[in-house]
Amino acid sequence: ETGVTQTPRHLVMGMTNKKSLKCEQHLGHNAMYWYKQSAKKPLELMFVYNFKEQTENNSVPSRFSPECPNSSHLFLHLHTLQPEDSALYLCASSQVGGSNSPLHFGNGTRLTVT
Amino acid sequence: GESVGLHLPTLSVQEGDNSIINCAYSNSASDYFIWYKQESGKGPQFIIDIRSNMDKRQGQRVTVLLNKTVKHLSLQIAATQPGDSAVYFCADAPTNSGGGADGLTFGKGTHLIIQP
Repeated sequence: ETGVTQTPRHLVMGMTNKKSLKCEQHLGHNAMYWYKQSAKKPLELMFVYNFKEQTENNSVPSRFSPECPNSSHLFLHLHTLQPEDSALYLCASSQVGGSNSPLHFGNGTRLTVT
Repeated sequence: GESVGLHLPTLSVQEGDNSIINCAYSNSASDYFIWYKQESGKGPQFIIDIRSNMDKRQGQRVTVLLNKTVKHLSLQIAATQPGDSAVYFCADAPTNSGGGADGLTFGKGTHLIIQP
C-alpha cells in the first residue's frame, strides 16, 4: 500500500472539460511534486512544492494549474487540454532539507484527452 | 542538459536466474543514485539508493554497484521471481541537492521480463 494516494486512477476528458487530479501523502513529508510520464520518455517534472510554496514550474502550459492547500494535499487542475496531454500523471512526495532522500510516488492518474 | 540513460530497453531472463540492469549517467556532479521499479498500472516504487562514497550496497535480493570512474550504475537482482517483472529505471542527483526532485534526473527505463 503506497503512502501517496492519487485519485482518480483513470480519467477521460474532452478538450473543453475542466477536471482536477488529487494527491494525498501520508508520510509526513514536506515537499510534493507532479510528474508527467509518457510512453518511452523519462519522467518529466512539472511542479514542485516545498513547504506548500511552489518553487518550480518547468515551463508547463497554463492549462495545467497546481494547487497545494497544505503539506499533505496537492491538486492539478486541468482545462482545455490537448490530445498530446494524454499520459500518466504521477504525484510524489519527499522530505527535503539535509541529505538526499528518495521520492515516494503514487500510482498515478491515467489521463486520456479525446 | 545531461541525462541518465540505460543500455538496454528490454531484458529477458529465466526465473531463478540473476538479472543485471545497467545504467550510465553523464553528470559528473552526481553523487546520489536511486533505482526504482515500476509494475504495470502502478507508480514507481523505491528499491534502493546509494551515495557516491560507496561502491556497493545490498538490500533484500538486490545489490547496487556504482563505478564512478566510468559513471556506471547497475542493479543486480538475485534469483529472479515472476513478481520482478517490471520496468526498472535509475535516477541521479547532484551533490547536496537537499533531497527531493532538485536536479533529479531519470532514465527511460529497462523492461525486465521473467520467463518461466
